[in-house]
Amino acid sequence: NAGVTQTPKFQVLKTGQSMTLQCAQDMNHNSMYWYRQDPGMGLRLIYYSASEGTTDKGEVPNGYNVSRLNKREFSLRLESAAPSQTSVYFCASSAYVPWDRGPNEQFFGPGTRLTVL
Amino acid sequence: DQQVKQNSPSLSVQEGRISILNCDYTNSMFDYFLWYKKYPAEGPTFLISISSIKDKNEDGRFTVFLNKSAKHLSLHIVPSQPGDSAVYFCAAIETSGSRLTFGEGTQLTVNP
Repeated sequence: NAGVTQTPKFQVLKTGQSMTLQCAQDMNHNSMYWYRQDPGMGLRLIYYSASEGTTDKGEVPNGYNVSRLNKREFSLRLESAAPSQTSVYFCASSAYVPWDRGPNEQFFGPGTRLTVL
Repeated sequence: DQQVKQNSPSLSVQEGRISILNCDYTNSMFDYFLWYKKYPAEGPTFLISISSIKDKNEDGRFTVFLNKSAKHLSLHIVPSQPGDSAVYFCAAIETSGSRLTFGEGTQLTVNP
């Protein structure tokens, strides 16, 4: 049971290049999320997918696109990378929990450290 | 606007003493509050949560206190251990929502 896996672990891009960050979970979770972590900013939600077939914008979606390929996989694409997208990217997943039964704990992957030159 | 704020970027305590990490929020619709711990080069891991209908939740050395009138919560770690050294994120979620709103994080260092 690997939990949430992310590839690659590290990536260096030049401005204008494109790339896709991959995320997969083996916990049969319905919801998946992409966050970025920047110093002093905490974790900010980029996009999320509440269930297979749906995606929604989070707090900082500009410059990104996502694909919920199936229940297991949720990818994040940078079409034209910019230095402002230098960050650590985390993917997370969570099961559906009725709101009166508790918070839906999110499980995080190890992160992808991206540098855009 | 920052709906969840952790005003202390860092905290240093001696092993065996109490660590108190603080968090303030502005959104009265938040229904649950969670604390996550993050070690370097790893993803955050869930630590403890509290419902807005409670004022205290305890799990071993970790206790979270919620003061709804002040829109303030705190995480107490007693006794603190060097292995507790990590970044701690406060997070909140609205009623029937699935999106977490995170604070900026506090770097806790526990000195032997």
